[in-house]
Amino acid sequence: DVKVTQSSRYLVKRTGEKVFLECVQDMDHENMFWYRQDPGLGLRLIYFSYDVKMKEKGDIPEGYSVSREKKERFSLILESASTNQTSMYLCASSLPRLVTPYEQYFGPGTRLTVT
Amino acid sequence: DAKTTQPPSMDCAEGRAANLPCNHSTISGNEYVYWYRQIHSQGPQYIIHGLKNNETNEMASLIITEDRKSSTLILPHATLRDTAVYYCIVSPNTDKLIFGTGTRLQVFP
Repeated sequence: DVKVTQSSRYLVKRTGEKVFLECVQDMDHENMFWYRQDPGLGLRLIYFSYDVKMKEKGDIPEGYSVSREKKERFSLILESASTNQTSMYLCASSLPRLVTPYEQYFGPGTRLTVT
Repeated sequence: DAKTTQPPSMDCAEGRAANLPCNHSTISGNEYVYWYRQIHSQGPQYIIHGLKNNETNEMASLIITEDRKSSTLILPHATLRDTAVYYCIVSPNTDKLIFGTGTRLQVFP
């Protein structure tokens, strides 16, 4: 079974802190994704990586950066956390779209609270 | 990307079929219809997908209208464990999926 793990289920940080959210997948997937989920807004894509050191902005990249130094690991970085970044963060991985069915496999999520 | 419209919530009695509708009137020829669900406190999980034909797997059936402007996800015998948010996604041949707000299905005893 594909396993996507996230470093924390719950995280509390202070405004202005630098925050790292880590995601690891064990299925040698090329693609990795970071989403945030907020009530009434569904899942929104923050960043996407289709290969090591490659990244692409999603719909809401402002205030975030990412790092993918190894294929299995994709990190989301909040350079200076703000209260409006309080949210559920979900990581996902997938093979390239050419493989069908195209499935994204999700981790359990990290609920981040910025105070 | 084509936009989808789903009812915000639905109820279903345990053991009955749950029929979850989705409108995607602006779908184009190369766009697939995907369904995912998210059980509380978990990440979304793939259920099924289709292009033109109806599809069935061990989890559900997907019925796509002939004009492809709408589809229905069918859970033939809903259980309490099927209580979740169900997302209908229309996606072109790219690696990104755009999730909307989905339908919250409540299965009751």
